[in-house]
Formats: sequence, C-alpha cells, structure tokens
Amino acid sequence: GAGVSQSPRYKVAKRGQDVALRCDPISGHVSLFWYQQALGQGPEFLTYFQNEAQLDKSGLPSDRFFAERPEGSVSTLKIQRTQQEDSAVYLCASSPKGGPNNEQFFGPGTRLTVL
Amino acid sequence: GENVEQHPSTLSVQEGDSAVIKCTYSDSASNYFPWYKQELGKRPQLIIDIRSNVGEKKDQRIAVTLNKTAKHFSLHITETQPEDSAVYFCAAVRGYGQNFVFGPGTRLSVLP
Repeated sequence: GAGVSQSPRYKVAKRGQDVALRCDPISGHVSLFWYQQALGQGPEFLTYFQNEAQLDKSGLPSDRFFAERPEGSVSTLKIQRTQQEDSAVYLCASSPKGGPNNEQFFGPGTRLTVL
Repeated sequence: GENVEQHPSTLSVQEGDSAVIKCTYSDSASNYFPWYKQELGKRPQLIIDIRSNVGEKKDQRIAVTLNKTAKHFSLHITETQPEDSAVYFCAAVRGYGQNFVFGPGTRLSVLP
C-alpha cells in the first residue's frame, strides 16, 4: 500500500514568510509525528498526535510553529515568520497504534530553505 | 529528559567485515530501542528494534544487543556489503511516552 507522503518535497521561503507543510500518513494509522532534521543530524522530535489530539508539542521550538490534525488523518505543520535557522528537512512519521513502543514509518520529508 | 549518544560518528569497513555502532542513553525509563537506516536523500527506515525485556535480537546479518544496567545498546552488522553504506540512527523511547530521542547518527561506508 501507499506509504507516508509529504508535500511539497522542497520549499524555498524568504525570511518572514509563512509556510505550510503537509503530511498524509498511512491510512488508518493512529499516531502521527513531526520531526526536524538539520543537515548531518538525527531527527529531533517536534510534536505528536494520537488521532486528532495533539498529545505532545514539547519539541516545537517556538510559538511560530503550529501543527494540526483536525480529522485525525492529514496533518499540517505551519511555520510563521520563517527565519534562517528554520532551514531543515521536516519529517513526518506515522504509526499504526496509539500506544508507546511502535515502529514509525517515515515520509520522504520536506526540505525547507529560508533565504 | 532523555539524551542519546552514538559512536562512532563515521565508520569505514572493508566489504565482508563486521561493523559495530554503540549508543548510550540516560533515561532508565526508556524501554524501546529502534535502529533506523537512512540512505542519502531518503527517508529513515527501521532495520531492527529491541525491547527492554530482551538482551539480544538477531535478523539475518543484523543484530542488536542491549545492556539495561549500563544503559547502552549496540548494532552489529556482519558480512557487510556496499548497500549497507548509509547513516544509521539509534533511538530510545520511554515506556509511557511517544517521544523518540534519536542519536546523532553514524555514517557507515563499506569499501569494495
């Protein structure tokens, strides 16, 4: 079946612009995660949804970052007033269950470049 | 919070040799330890995982060992092949949370 998809794959934004990144998880997956991966680094947790509920947003670096999953499937990560340090690959992952300790299936990522 | 360290940061081996990557974690409540492989420009993919009630797990050429007392776990790849070349990330997950904490990664190069 189809895996996790993300769009756009690449995004170039001018400093100060708002951006919206989309994630389509695997159908039926309960859990959805967003990560930020800087060049040469491991993914860093941003936020976690179980269905439509955002259960953990402790990794969001500032109030410029906002994520939603209103119907418990597609999710959007929005970054307001982008800054150069926001440049990174943003990875989305989904997991079939809501409990802990389950494999996460990653999307291809969105590479954001802020000029 | 959890902190995961990973060594070495880069590793080069000859084809057919073994490769070992080690990770340490700080949170004794962590009880799930997956390993992900990420090829250049591609998404991370799970290659093996281990839970804290098990000391070792093997899947063909790949094995993972866990020492909960010392809070470290290792990835072992035997009979390495050029297609094993990638960046490998370990992660630690707390039992009652969903926050995966990844290590910084190890770039493995298998030389023909």
